[in-house]
Amino acid sequence: AQKITQTQPGMFVQEKEAVTLDCTYDTSDPSYGLFWYKQPSSGEMIFLIYQGSYDQQNATEGRYSLNFQKARKSANLVISASQLGDSAMYFCAMRVRQGAQKLVFGQGTRLTINP
Amino acid sequence: GAGVSQSPSNKVTEKGKDVELRCDPISGHTALYWYRQSLGQGLEFLIYFQGNSAPDKSGLPSDRFSAERTGGSVSTLTIQRTQQEDSAVYLCASSLTLAGGPYEQYFGPGTRLTVT
Repeated sequence: AQKITQTQPGMFVQEKEAVTLDCTYDTSDPSYGLFWYKQPSSGEMIFLIYQGSYDQQNATEGRYSLNFQKARKSANLVISASQLGDSAMYFCAMRVRQGAQKLVFGQGTRLTINP
Repeated sequence: GAGVSQSPSNKVTEKGKDVELRCDPISGHTALYWYRQSLGQGLEFLIYFQGNSAPDKSGLPSDRFSAERTGGSVSTLTIQRTQQEDSAVYLCASSLTLAGGPYEQYFGPGTRLTVT
């Protein structure tokens, strides 16, 4: 069975600092994709970044980067120069098998950026 | 362009009543998904539609839950004889399914269901 583990229920960071949100995954499938979503207090899920299991380089999207360590089955999200608007819940998710669209989500990490 | 829309945004119902939740996906997205998020929890997959293929119903928690997608667009999630444990936010998402793509899912704002 596929599983996503996020071990940090809450994180508190000073504005402008970098923050790393942890995510480990478990799957026996060699083909999978990893996603990070942000959920502000409004409730909507916002797609941030994607990493494919066969991608050679770590994904980056603006201030977001994904530290993908395949052998350790980890896919940590790094947010550089954090902003107050980054305060939200962050979910790591995994999709296994090409063509199988279902996402398996972790329990999330609540990030709070302090001024 | 317009994102995924869901209605109603909030629904309060009495235990035992039936409810219908609606989702309008992004135009052109062939895949549509329903998830459930209980308070303080991650998202739980319910059902997935892809074009004209048979839906993947593997996440539906009981036979009280059903969903349909008409004309490859709008979807309705129906919960019959609602129970208090059905109280949650129901999220709909849609995506493209281009070969080789990441298939990121775009989510709607959700319907908050409260069963009293």
